Amino acid sequence: AQSVAQPEDQVNVAEGNPLTVKCTYSVSGNPYLFWYVQYPNRGLQFLLKYITGDNLVKGSYGFEAEFNKSQTSFHLKKPSALVSDSALYFCAVRAYGGSQGNLIFGKGTKLSVKP
Amino acid sequence: NAGVTQTPKFRILKIGQSMTLQCAQDMNHNYMYWYRQDPGMGLKLIYYSVGAGITDKGEVPNGYNVSRSTTEDFPLRLELAAPSQTSVYFCASSFGLAGGKETQYFGPGTRLLVL
Repeated sequence: AQSVAQPEDQVNVAEGNPLTVKCTYSVSGNPYLFWYVQYPNRGLQFLLKYITGDNLVKGSYGFEAEFNKSQTSFHLKKPSALVSDSALYFCAVRAYGGSQGNLIFGKGTKLSVKP
Repeated sequence: NAGVTQTPKFRILKIGQSMTLQCAQDMNHNYMYWYRQDPGMGLKLIYYSVGAGITDKGEVPNGYNVSRSTTEDFPLRLELAAPSQTSVYFCASSFGLAGGKETQYFGPGTRLLVL
């Protein structure tokens, strides 16, 4: 069965410091991996995805994520956090192929960036 | 274009009432999805559609029905509302499943409270 784990309910970072939000996954075959961000009372916004190719993926708002197949991880990173990055972050996965295309989501990690 | 739109934004239902959550997209996407988000949990798939006239169940379909008469619209019907259906409902769409078309775009959500 496909699954996603986000081991941290909350990550606290000082503005200007680097941030990492962790994600590990379990899927049969090659994964499609996604990161979404949700601001309060808003829908999910797409940040970035890994499908194939370079393990380091760059996305919106200066975020990047590194795909590590041996560790089945897809951690979200940013070199210098902003207060405006404070939000709820979701990692999602689906297996390559299949007819549904639905995403399996982690429980989310709340990122808090303090000035 | 407006992307994915959802109405209403918020609704209170009494137990046993019914309602339809509206979802529309103007991106000519083939795939559409309904997810629900419960507090502290990731999103779970309710129903999905791969094109007009074609729908199928997701992970948590009980108590819901859908239809897809046009490419643009994918309404979700709640019959006999129950407190367990208190949740935030998100509609999403994607153009395809692969080839750069797999990214799902989400609406702003409908917050439903069943009392």
